[in-house]
Amino acid sequence: GQQLNQSPQSMFIQEGEDVSMNCTSSSIFNTWLWYKQEPGEGPVLLIALYKAGELTSNGRLTAQFGITRKDSFLNISASIPSDVGIYFCAGRPSGSARQLTFGSGTQLTVLP
Amino acid sequence: GAGVSQSPRYKVTKRGQDVALRCDPISGHVSLYWYRQALGQGPEFLTYFNYEAQQDKSGLPNDRFSAERPEGSISTLTIQRTEQRDSAMYRCASSSTGGGSYEQYFGPGTRLTVT
Repeated sequence: GQQLNQSPQSMFIQEGEDVSMNCTSSSIFNTWLWYKQEPGEGPVLLIALYKAGELTSNGRLTAQFGITRKDSFLNISASIPSDVGIYFCAGRPSGSARQLTFGSGTQLTVLP
Repeated sequence: GAGVSQSPRYKVTKRGQDVALRCDPISGHVSLYWYRQALGQGPEFLTYFNYEAQQDKSGLPNDRFSAERPEGSISTLTIQRTEQRDSAMYRCASSSTGGGSYEQYFGPGTRLTVT
């Protein structure tokens, strides 16, 4: 089946630093979504992307839909302690399928 | 408004027992999805519904797993004759129609432990 490769698997950064993570796929996706999950909670939707090349921001978060439609990137600027959590990318494949394929997550730790 | 709710939040059952997990989607959301999430992994698709119709069940692992959404709102995921390998977090998500209909909103999940 389709797989998403998400990297890095984990990150330790200093408060105030910028963060980048990405997802790549061997097949084309029509929609890319980025979620954040905190302990004991379900994934929370951060950003949705619908067009190749699209760049969308949500506060300090910026995500891009790769031009090849096989990748997506998430950047977090000026990290703060509450950014801690697991970030998942998710893609909706081409065609009429609605289910999402998730990456394995990036565990972000922000050090004070 | 209220988000997606799931019950129970935790379920411990003995091997061989049947379990039923419930999902109540966001009011008015047409589509409902079930995922399973193993520790350290992203959610993995199981099945989804548009209204009461099950559109895709290709992710259900075997015929012990079934799901229904008889009135197009609340859904139940049933696992018969549970096995230890069924232990996982089971997550439900819902989405609306029209613009943004691919944006899925998740519930808190049901942690299933089979002993």
